[in-house]
Amino acid sequence: AQSVTQLDSHVSVSEGTPVLLRCNYSSSYSPSLFWYVQHPNKGLQLLLKYTSAATLVKGINGFEAEFKKSETSFHLTKPSAHMSDAAEYFCVVSDQGTYKYIFGTGTRLKVLA
Amino acid sequence: EAGVTQSPTHLIKTRGQQATLRCSPISGHTSVYWYQQALGLGLQFLLWYDEGEERNRGNFPPRFSGRQFPNYSSELNVNALELEDSALYLCASSFSGSKAGELFFGEGSRLTVL
Repeated sequence: AQSVTQLDSHVSVSEGTPVLLRCNYSSSYSPSLFWYVQHPNKGLQLLLKYTSAATLVKGINGFEAEFKKSETSFHLTKPSAHMSDAAEYFCVVSDQGTYKYIFGTGTRLKVLA
Repeated sequence: EAGVTQSPTHLIKTRGQQATLRCSPISGHTSVYWYQQALGLGLQFLLWYDEGEERNRGNFPPRFSGRQFPNYSSELNVNALELEDSALYLCASSFSGSKAGELFFGEGSRLTVL
């Protein structure tokens, strides 16, 4: 069965410092993995996706994530946080066999000036 | 190209009433997903429609129902509204089957039940 765990419900960083949002998954099939961002009272926007090509995936706004099969992880990183990055981030796993999308519980990122 | 559109943006109802929310997917997408996002509860999967049929349903009571029309737009109906139904309802669309890929989300419909 698929599942996804976001290890931190809240993360605070100072502006200009690195961001690390952690995500672990389990999947019976070859997974597709996604990170979405949600600003307050808005829909979700795709940051990046992994679909069995390169394990290091680059997304929008300077974010990237690395698929590590041995660790079943797909952590989201950004070298330097910006105030506009403050939002909620969701890790999502989808199996090619079931076409179901499983969402993590979200990580709220706070960026301090 | 137009994204996923949802209407209405905001809706205020009283307990016991019915609410209808609408979603138009991206052109070419045949799958529509509905999610409920109540305060502090993350995204809860409601319904998945594909090619006009209900493919999967989340753990919600039967008073949550919907349908998908021949043009792939979708409607979510919530009957006998309860206070805890107050939430942001998000619709997402995707291609179907092996071409599914990522979900594309609308901006949501905010339902308030008084």
